[in-house]
Amino acid sequence: GENVEQHPSTLSVQEGDSAVIKCTYSDSASNYFPWYKQELGKGPQLIIDIRSNVGEKKDQRIAVTLNKTAKHFSLHITETQPEDSAVYFCAAPDYSNSNSGYALNFGKGTSLLVTP
Amino acid sequence: NAGVTQTPKFRVLKTGQSMTLLCAQDMNHEYMYWYRQDPGMGLRLIHYSVGEGTTAKGEVPDGYNVSRLKKQNFLLGLESAAPSQTSVYFCASSLSLRTLKDTQYFGPGTRLTVL
Repeated sequence: GENVEQHPSTLSVQEGDSAVIKCTYSDSASNYFPWYKQELGKGPQLIIDIRSNVGEKKDQRIAVTLNKTAKHFSLHITETQPEDSAVYFCAAPDYSNSNSGYALNFGKGTSLLVTP
Repeated sequence: NAGVTQTPKFRVLKTGQSMTLLCAQDMNHEYMYWYRQDPGMGLRLIHYSVGEGTTAKGEVPDGYNVSRLKKQNFLLGLESAAPSQTSVYFCASSLSLRTLKDTQYFGPGTRLTVL
C-alpha cells in the first residue's frame, strides 16, 4: 500500500521564522495530498491540500508544494506564530487495494514548536 | 451543525471487558473511518465504511469490529479489551475520496485506557 514518510519528527523555530515539513510517498497513482494540524487534545483539522494537477498552492501564511516526479510534497509556514505550535500530519490516498482506495495513509507527524 | 461527534470522551476498561465507541456525523457524508493514534505512530486506520451497511478493514483491524447501520453513525466495538488497545481513537467522515469534496473531518477523539 501507500507508504508516507514524514520529516522531521520535531521542529523548533523562533517566532517569525519559517518552518518546512517534508513528506514522501510511494504510489505514483496518488493524486491528492492533504495536510492536517492537530492541537493538543483535539482531532486533526485540514489546513491545506493539493492535487496532482498543480505544483503549489498558497493560503495566507501556509503553502504546499508538490513534486510528482520525485514523489514528495512539503508544507511551508512563513512568519510563524506561537499559535502555529501543534502536530502536523501529511497524508496520501491508498489505492493499492480497490477496497481501501478510499482511505488516507498518514505520516507519523511533526511536532512544531514556535517559541516567542 | 455539530460536525463529527464521539462518545465517550474518556473511558477506562479492565482487560477482557467490552465496550462500544459511537461516532456520529451530521454532514450527510458517505464515508466514515476509525483511526487509532499512538505516540510516534501517527494515525492508523482500523476500519472504514463507504456507505450505510458496508464496512471494510483498514491497517490494524484485529480486535475491533464495526457497524454502520445508519448513514450518520459508525460504531467501533472492542469485544475483549487488551492493554495494547490503550490509545486515542478518532472517528472521521468525508463526502468521498473520488471527488473534489474529499476532506476528512475528524471528531475530538476518545481516550481509552485498558488496565
